[in-house]
Amino acid sequence: NAGVMQNPRHLVRRRGQEARLRCSPMKGHSHVYWYRQLPEEGLKFMVYLQKENIIDESGMPKERFSAEFPKEGPSILRIQQVVRGDSAAYFCASSPRQVSGNTIYFGEGSWLTVV
Amino acid sequence: AQRVTQPEKLLSVFKGAPVELKCNYSYSGSPELFWYVQYSRQRLQLLLRHISRESIKGFTADLNKGETSFHLKKPFAQEEDSAMYYCALSGGGRWLTFGEGTQLTVNP
Repeated sequence: NAGVMQNPRHLVRRRGQEARLRCSPMKGHSHVYWYRQLPEEGLKFMVYLQKENIIDESGMPKERFSAEFPKEGPSILRIQQVVRGDSAAYFCASSPRQVSGNTIYFGEGSWLTVV
Repeated sequence: AQRVTQPEKLLSVFKGAPVELKCNYSYSGSPELFWYVQYSRQRLQLLLRHISRESIKGFTADLNKGETSFHLKKPFAQEEDSAMYYCALSGGGRWLTFGEGTQLTVNP
């Protein structure tokens, strides 16, 4: 089992461009979580998805950010018109079912730098 | 609402000394609590969870519901323990809420 795979590991974007971050969950996992880690800060929950459904997006900024987890393929976190404040590490995690009673596993993160 | 507080952003100890990383939580129901460790720019790894009551790499943590705490302890710190430690809470099983993290440095 390859674990949670994220790509790209590092991404540089100019202000105003779009950033797309991909996450392939562990085999057999149908629950995906995205977290953001700003410089010198802890992990902040962004969104929780199951296949084709957004379960909880209470941590997502209201504008420019969107996430999907299609029936086929990886989960995508999309940031439109990036600004310098979006520079952060974005971590994806997955679990086979809900967190309760289960462990969630993290990917190695995608580091976004906006110049 | 669920909240996790790690009051110390930085903690420095000498090798062989005891270490305690503090974690307090706020949640009205029965929480599940976890400790994760992140070595430099790597993925977060689960260190332990309160329901399993196991000891990993010599670390233990006890859930104290009266004090709403889940402090992480190790009697003798090693240099390889230097890392960022996150306390996390799952209330209702939907997703994890993390504390701000404590950067532990173990000096030789």
